[in-house]
Amino acid sequence: NAGVTQTPKFQVLKTGQSMTLQCAQDMNHEYMSWYRQDPGMGLRLIHYSVGAGITDQGEVPNGYNVSRSTTEDFPLRLLSAAPSQTSVYFCASRKTTVFEQYFGPGTRLTVT
Amino acid sequence: AQSVTQLGSHVSVSEGALVLLRCNYSSSVPPYLFWYVQYPNQGLQLLLKYTSAATLVKGINGFEAEFKKSETSFHLTKPSAHMSDAAEYFCAVSGNQAGTALIFGKGTTLSVSS
Repeated sequence: NAGVTQTPKFQVLKTGQSMTLQCAQDMNHEYMSWYRQDPGMGLRLIHYSVGAGITDQGEVPNGYNVSRSTTEDFPLRLLSAAPSQTSVYFCASRKTTVFEQYFGPGTRLTVT
Repeated sequence: AQSVTQLGSHVSVSEGALVLLRCNYSSSVPPYLFWYVQYPNQGLQLLLKYTSAATLVKGINGFEAEFKKSETSFHLTKPSAHMSDAAEYFCAVSGNQAGTALIFGKGTTLSVSS
């Protein structure tokens, strides 16, 4: 198993550009989520999904969209990047009834 | 709703000394609690978890934590620090229902000096 994979590892965007951060898992996990990590702020939940076709907002959803068309994939879209979205983004997954969460390696995003 | 407070954003210990990282939680339902570790420029690795079984939980690398409901705490300890323990540590809480989100504290950076 590859576990949770994220692409790209690094990305630089200009303000106003859009992009999609990819996340995939091969563990047949129903639950997937996106976090952003900023110094001194810990990890803050952006969006999560309990299964294909179901998504919900976390603590900091503004400026981000998600969709879940398959169990394996959970992409995060930035529609119009802002410098405040400079961060490290982590995707995670788990079985719905097993609470141990597996994290991807992260994507470091810089918006200039 | 759940929340986590980690007391002390930075803890420094000498090699061989006791490590104590503090975590207090708030939860409207019985909580599940976790400690994760993050080494520089890496992802998060699960150290240990409490999911309503034994209140004293042992994890990897010699770490353990005790769930104290009366104190709403889940402090992380290690009897003897090693240089390789230097990292950032995150406490996290979720409810015990399927689909509940995992909420993290702000993290504690552990420094170990020789």
